[in-house]
Amino acid sequence: DVKVTQSSRYLVKRTGEKVFLECVQDMDHENMFWYRQDPGLGLRLIYFSYDVKMKEKGDIPEGYSVSREKKERFSLILESASTNQTSMYLCATSGPQDTQYFGPGTRLTVL
Amino acid sequence: SQQGEEDPQALSIQEGENATMNCSYKTSINNLQWYRQNSGRGLVHLILIRSNEREKHSGRLRVTLDTSKKSSSLLITASRAADTASYFCATDAWAAGNKLTFGGGTRVLVKP
Repeated sequence: DVKVTQSSRYLVKRTGEKVFLECVQDMDHENMFWYRQDPGLGLRLIYFSYDVKMKEKGDIPEGYSVSREKKERFSLILESASTNQTSMYLCATSGPQDTQYFGPGTRLTVL
Repeated sequence: SQQGEEDPQALSIQEGENATMNCSYKTSINNLQWYRQNSGRGLVHLILIRSNEREKHSGRLRVTLDTSKKSSSLLITASRAADTASYFCATDAWAAGNKLTFGGGTRVLVKP
């Protein structure tokens, strides 16, 4: 079974802090994704990566950056956290069959 | 706006009843997928149906796809309390660079 782990289930940060959310997968998948999920808005794609050191902007990249130094690890970075980035963050990975496998999510609160 | 939009937004049924939810989308797709999300957790893939397929079954799940109407339905038969979750459709289209685009989800409550 594919396993996707995220570094924290719950995280509380202050406005202006730099925040790192890490995602690790164990299935040697090429593709990795970061989404945020907000009530009434569904899942929105922030960034994705099809290979090591490769990154592409999703639908809402503003205020975020990513890093993919190793195939199994995809990090989401909030350079200066703001209260409107309070959300559930979901990492996903996919192989050649198009199905995405999700981590358990990180619920981030920015005070 | 979202490519996939589910209807209804919320559904409440008794255990043993069937639950049906629909998904509409706007542009041509390669495939459509359904995912389930239990409260506060990540999404779990349920079923994928390709654009050249019309119906697919997996256990108590039945998915239909009507590309002429740009819509899909997910039917859960003989529902159980454990089916209580949010259900999302997601579309994969060439126009979107093969990224998945998710709808807003249908919240299903199955009462024992």
